[in-house]
Amino acid sequence: GAGVSQSPSNKVTEKGKDVELRCDPISGHTALYWYRQSLGQGLEFLIYFQGNSAPDKSGLPSDRFSAERTGGSVSTLTIQRTQQEDSAVYLCASSQTGKQSYGYTFGSGTRLTVV
Amino acid sequence: GQSLEQPSEVTAVEGAIVQMNCTYQTSGFYGLSWYQQHDGGAPTFLSYNALDGLEETGRFSSFLSRSDSYGYLLLQELQMKDSASYFCAVRAAPAQGGKLIFGQGTELSVKP
Repeated sequence: GAGVSQSPSNKVTEKGKDVELRCDPISGHTALYWYRQSLGQGLEFLIYFQGNSAPDKSGLPSDRFSAERTGGSVSTLTIQRTQQEDSAVYLCASSQTGKQSYGYTFGSGTRLTVV
Repeated sequence: GQSLEQPSEVTAVEGAIVQMNCTYQTSGFYGLSWYQQHDGGAPTFLSYNALDGLEETGRFSSFLSRSDSYGYLLLQELQMKDSASYFCAVRAAPAQGGKLIFGQGTELSVKP
């Protein structure tokens, strides 16, 4: 597509429930990233997919967080047993491999509120 | 690891010039990037510096000094629409996946 698409744009969930966040990257972009942004804060790295390589999961805050990328395209970030501290905007980005000077293209994010 | 420092907020007047600084600590250096984010919006890529010096794109310029582990973003002829948060980011080493590590951002407020 023309840009990075994320859904849903907003999600309110009860503490303890599981949630799934979806990211559809730009066609042809082999790299896909998930970041988390709390109110007024910077972007916290969560996980990175590059082609068929094993994902870099070094930023996932706990084992309640997981992500997958199917067919080298769409990615889903799953948070199990949500906690109030999980409330944040979850941002997905994609980029062309080797094109560092082009930067990342971010989606508009999913605003997650855990009540 | 990597860490970045940015002033939390800057205020400037419409039509003026503003400089937003970024200092970083990295194990190896693989480029400094700048992103703009309006309230409630997606971060958008502004510039990338791999080598020392100034890169200019219209009203925006970005500077890098690798020996000082320092960079800045310069905005000229400020407009009200430039009010946003500005993030610098460094790239992690290839062995760490080359992902971007972001600073906490500088919130720029442009006043009439």
